[in-house]
Amino acid sequence: DAKTTQPNSMESNEEEPVHLPCNHSTISGTDYIHWYRQLPSQGPEYVIHGLTSNVNNRMASLAIAEDRKSSTLILHRATLRDAAVYYCILRDLGRDDKIIFGKGTRLHILP
Amino acid sequence: ETGVTQTPRHLVMGMTNKKSLKCEQHLGHNAMYWYKQSAKKPLELMFVYNFKEQTENNSVPSRFSPECPNSSHLFLHLHTLQPEDSALYLCASSQGSGQGIYGYTFGSGTRLTVV
Repeated sequence: DAKTTQPNSMESNEEEPVHLPCNHSTISGTDYIHWYRQLPSQGPEYVIHGLTSNVNNRMASLAIAEDRKSSTLILHRATLRDAAVYYCILRDLGRDDKIIFGKGTRLHILP
Repeated sequence: ETGVTQTPRHLVMGMTNKKSLKCEQHLGHNAMYWYKQSAKKPLELMFVYNFKEQTENNSVPSRFSPECPNSSHLFLHLHTLQPEDSALYLCASSQGSGQGIYGYTFGSGTRLTVV
């Protein structure tokens, strides 16, 4: 399975943008890039996913490198409620693959 | 409320007890999953059910016994657990296993403490 590499932790100031990086150098052509986050004492929640083009939704933006070997989750204006563990996950379009979570990036938001 | 409901939210049980965790979804999803999250460890996939049939068991000890009577309900029956089984147990559902484009919806979990 293609693997991802994320920093263990990051800090950001409240009301500033946050860029969470993810490296996936062994990504295959049919792998989607998914992001989930897990708030304290809750289950993970879906954030965004993309294949090749950059994606935007109400929660975040996903910027995908042209060679697809890395991606960045962008929170445009971080709030204290965005403090969570963020997981970058690759999922093949059609294979019977399950979501396998790594350690993710623990994001701390400073007031 | 995510659409996946887990009960109870908290459970304390002795090593000789038998208890069950319940998960329910009314999202029309066909796949359901159990995950375990121990302190300071990544989530571990335990079981996968697709259209009520178990399609994966990740070498989970037999003291954990899943049951999926229909696509909307999933149970995890617990008996003779050990203290190291204390963890957050998470249920998730998706439109179908093997559909990599679809996301998972997770419940809030059951915090289990074995004493």
